[in-house]
Amino acid sequence: EPEVTQTPSHQVTQMGQEVILRCVPISNHLYFYWYRQILGQKVEFLVSFYNNEISEKSEIFDDQFSVERPDGSNFTLKIRSTKLEDSAMYFCASNRRPGREGLETQYFGPGTRLLVL
Amino acid sequence: AQKVTQAQTEISVVEKEDVTLDCVYETRDTTYYLFWYKQPPSGELVFLIRRNSFDEQNEISGRYSWNFQKSTSSFNFTITASQVVDSAVYFCALSEAPDGATNKLIFGTGTLLAVQP
Repeated sequence: EPEVTQTPSHQVTQMGQEVILRCVPISNHLYFYWYRQILGQKVEFLVSFYNNEISEKSEIFDDQFSVERPDGSNFTLKIRSTKLEDSAMYFCASNRRPGREGLETQYFGPGTRLLVL
Repeated sequence: AQKVTQAQTEISVVEKEDVTLDCVYETRDTTYYLFWYKQPPSGELVFLIRRNSFDEQNEISGRYSWNFQKSTSSFNFTITASQVVDSAVYFCALSEAPDGATNKLIFGTGTLLAVQP
């Protein structure tokens, strides 16, 4: 069964460093998402991406964050200058199509646990 | 505004007991989707069920059942004859379906279910 994959599973970085989290969505999916979950808290939406551009982003997704689909398979989240409060689990998700046309479920990757020291 | 409330922070039951996890949602949209995800201790998010706002039929899948009531804006999840492997955090989530946009998920705060042997 196809699945979303994420690398690395864990990353430790120093405050102020740049990190890139990688995701490979399910191959026939067209819509991609990043969410984060601070330890012990709920899962929060960061950004959605379709047709090589951001379609929606949350207040959390400030100028320190960026997303990219550098090739036909990868979808990345970059944090330019990490802060302590960026420590969280980051989940990538994908689906084929959203909205009123017929919602497709978002399937989540296993997550990347980021620790900023 | 969209909101999902899971008032039960933690529930502890003994194996073989039935348990119901509550979910109450708020939305202004007439078309929306509700989800339950399971997050075991390993951390991944496992999709359990999706429900459309226009389909109030309850669903049963093995030991799992879901009760969707639009009149009370609730989408409750019952596990019958609970097992230790059911121990996890369970998240209820809501997605509206604006035309042409991606459908971010709004998660509740989760309910930690502990099933004791």
